[in-house]
Amino acid sequence: GQQLNQSPQSMFIQEGEDVSMNCTSSSIFNTWLWYKQDPGEGPVLLIALYKAGELTSNGRLTAQFGITRKDSFLNISASIPSDVGIYFCAGRSSGGSNYKLTFGKGTLLTVNP
Amino acid sequence: DAGVIQSPRHEVTEMGQEVTLRCKPISGHDYLFWYRQTMMRGLELLIYFNNNVPIDDSGMPEDRFSAKMPNASFSTLKIQPSEPRDSAVYFCASSFSRYEQYFGPGTRLTVT
Repeated sequence: GQQLNQSPQSMFIQEGEDVSMNCTSSSIFNTWLWYKQDPGEGPVLLIALYKAGELTSNGRLTAQFGITRKDSFLNISASIPSDVGIYFCAGRSSGGSNYKLTFGKGTLLTVNP
Repeated sequence: DAGVIQSPRHEVTEMGQEVTLRCKPISGHDYLFWYRQTMMRGLELLIYFNNNVPIDDSGMPEDRFSAKMPNASFSTLKIQPSEPRDSAVYFCASSFSRYEQYFGPGTRLTVT
């Protein structure tokens, strides 16, 4: 089956630093989504990307749909303590009526105040 | 606006018992997804529905798992009989004819 490689697995940073994480796929994806999950809660959608090369921002978060359509990046600028959580990428690889998403294993972000 | 609602939030049961998890999707959404999350396997899609009809159940682990969606505002995931290896967090998600899925808070299931 399809696999997403998400890296890094974990990050420990100081408040105020910028953060970058990425996902790569062995196959072409048509959609990339980035989610954040807090402890004891469900994943919350942060950014959705639909076109190769697309760059989309949501506040301090910026995500890009790689030109090769096999990767995506998420950047967080000027991190704050509430950015702590697990960040997941998710992708959809087929067109038509396939609505199945494949999820990465997540990046655990810790922000030291 | 109310998000996806799941109940119960926590369930502890003994091996062999029947477990029923419930989900109310966001009003107006026409797709509903059931996921399972574990440390080892991450988020796995179990089954999804479109307009109350099951479309793909290839992720359902085995016959002990079943899911229904009797109407647009309610779905259940049932495990009978439950086993310790079923312990996980089960999420329901819904979407409206696009690929942006919105997740509920999850049900943490512990089978002893």
